[in-house]
Amino acid sequence: DAGVIQSPRHEVTEMGQEVTLRCKPISGHDYLFWYRQTMMRGLELLIYFNNNVPIDDSGMPEDRFSAKMPNASFSTLKIQPSEPRDSAVYFCASRQGLNTEAFFGQGTRLTVV
Amino acid sequence: GENVEQHPSTLSVQEGDSAVIKCTYSDSASNYFPWYKQELGKGPQLIIDIRSNVGEKKDQRIAVTLNKTAKHFSLHITETQPEDSAVYFCAASNSGAGSYQLTFGKGTKLSVIP
Repeated sequence: DAGVIQSPRHEVTEMGQEVTLRCKPISGHDYLFWYRQTMMRGLELLIYFNNNVPIDDSGMPEDRFSAKMPNASFSTLKIQPSEPRDSAVYFCASRQGLNTEAFFGQGTRLTVV
Repeated sequence: GENVEQHPSTLSVQEGDSAVIKCTYSDSASNYFPWYKQELGKGPQLIIDIRSNVGEKKDQRIAVTLNKTAKHFSLHITETQPEDSAVYFCAASNSGAGSYQLTFGKGTKLSVIP
């Protein structure tokens, strides 16, 4: 397996634009997580899914953020409209079952200007 | 919810010396404690983990200890090498509460000086 695959690796967009980040988890993993990493706040959990169903989205900062998982092999995180303070590295991770290793993707570095 | 504190935030050691990173957690029900290493431009990668039914685990130059009474756990790296330079994150998780999320510490930037 190629691991967790995220796209794009880098995204630069203007304030007010819509941004969509994509993630393909490892095949067979039933949990998918979206994290945001900044210098100030470290790694923050935004939302996670179990068997494609959103379980906890309490970390999503605002209504401008939304996430979907239409099937077991694909998830998106959307920001609409984007703001400069959304600039961060966004990671997707997947794992199989309880208390097992979470595998992270390479991340998407988002810059909103 | 769970809160994980990690210290120090930066650590510099001479090559060959040992490095110790400490974490405390707040939720006494947490039962899984992984450590991740993040190299520049990459995602975090698991290097070792420990579950609440053991007090210590070792894997070559890396060891983790857990004190459930005091709610703290530590990462020990012996005979450090330049390639150990990275950011290290501790995390805690409680599967018993039906919430399977990992709560991460803020990270420790380790620099190994040749």
